[in-house]
Amino acid sequence: GAVVSQHPSRVICKSGTSVKIECRSLDFQATTMFWYRQFPKQSLMLMATSNEGSKATYEQGVEKDKFLINHASLTLSTLTVTSAHPEDSSFYICSALTSGRAQYNEQFFGPGTRLTVL
Amino acid sequence: AQTVTQSQPEMSVQEAETVTLSCTYDTSESNYYLFWYKQPPSRQMILVIRQEAYKQQNATENRFSVNFQKAAKSFSLKISDSQLGDTAMYFCAFMKLTLDRGSTLGRLYFGRGTQLTVWP
Repeated sequence: GAVVSQHPSRVICKSGTSVKIECRSLDFQATTMFWYRQFPKQSLMLMATSNEGSKATYEQGVEKDKFLINHASLTLSTLTVTSAHPEDSSFYICSALTSGRAQYNEQFFGPGTRLTVL
Repeated sequence: AQTVTQSQPEMSVQEAETVTLSCTYDTSESNYYLFWYKQPPSRQMILVIRQEAYKQQNATENRFSVNFQKAAKSFSLKISDSQLGDTAMYFCAFMKLTLDRGSTLGRLYFGRGTQLTVWP
């Protein structure tokens, strides 16, 4: 099956700093990538959708200046949490959708990144 | 708007027994996909099973099968011969296949999840 990686898997940072999380599709080209946030024992909350070469579409209530998303290539999307604060601490998950597999419309998920802001 | 409801926050089952997880959804779409995802303690999302709405036959993947009732908008997951490794959070998800203003093809709508514990 298709593989999606995320880096880093775990990051701890000080309040006020920025953190970048990478999401890569390893063996396929991802025309669309999704970024989710998950709180403990809760469901995945879609933050934004990014399409290669265009601006991300953010869900209502998600600050686009806080969570910067760049989908510069068909295999890489990045999420940057700017000026992180303790309330940004969470588990962030990306997923990828490929045009090649569009007929199946399956999202392939990364392993997630645990962000802790001190 | 699409909504997915999982009414069982927690379920438990003894090893080798059968358990059924419930899921209902609300949509005005006629063509869509439904999924069950598993999230074990590692938190990696794993696709368990997929159902295309246009198919009347219920999907089956080894010990996992679904009961898809399109008119009732119900999509339950049955796990047979439960194993300890089945312990995980299970999410039901809906994917619409048509584009409309502001929507994205391939977007998933998740339920709140059901924590399944399989005990020896």
